[in-house]
Amino acid sequence: GQQVMQIPQYQHVQEGEDFTTYCNSSTTLSNIQWYKQRPGGHPVFLIQLVKSGEVKKQKRLTFQFGEAKKNSSLHITATQTTDVGTYFCAGGYAGTASKLTFGTGTRLQVTL
Amino acid sequence: EAQVTQNPRYLITVTGKKLTVTCSQNMNHEYMSWYRQDPGLGLRQIYYSMNVEVTDKGDVPEGYKVSRKEKRNFPLILESPSPNQTSLYFCASRRPGGRGEQFFGPGTRLTVL
Repeated sequence: GQQVMQIPQYQHVQEGEDFTTYCNSSTTLSNIQWYKQRPGGHPVFLIQLVKSGEVKKQKRLTFQFGEAKKNSSLHITATQTTDVGTYFCAGGYAGTASKLTFGTGTRLQVTL
Repeated sequence: EAQVTQNPRYLITVTGKKLTVTCSQNMNHEYMSWYRQDPGLGLRQIYYSMNVEVTDKGDVPEGYKVSRKEKRNFPLILESPSPNQTSLYFCASRRPGGRGEQFFGPGTRLTVL
């Protein structure tokens, strides 16, 4: 079955440093979504990528979808304490309708 | 306000005592899903439903049941809970077709003693 691997599992940065989390799928994705879960909260949708090589930005967040549509990354520039949480990627595959396969998540800790 | 609601938010129970976690959405979404979240394992899908009376197994369905009698409701049933079902559970809904965001409920933290 489809699997989505996500690394690193955990990262601790100083405020102002950059942060990147990576997702890799064993098979070609039709689309990929990113979610953020604050401590004690529920996952909240950030963005969806559909096209090969697509890059999208949301303020300090940059999302990329690989050319082969098997990998994706989320990069945060100059982290802030409000970025603390767990970031999940979730892959959609052709022929699986609305199902999303979630990565294991990257927990980000930001300290002053 | 568009939302997914779950009840209860917290539950402590004992092995073998049947329980139901309710889930309701007000966005008229056809697709609904249940996940469990465990440390280091991310979100794993338990069951999903494409529409009323249409349900199917996800990746970890053992020990769970669901029903979808109405579009807005998708309860999760544990007929005989066991300690390995201690977890954080999320209900979610989404428009069909494989595009668009998935909305999550606030979560239910279940402890089975």
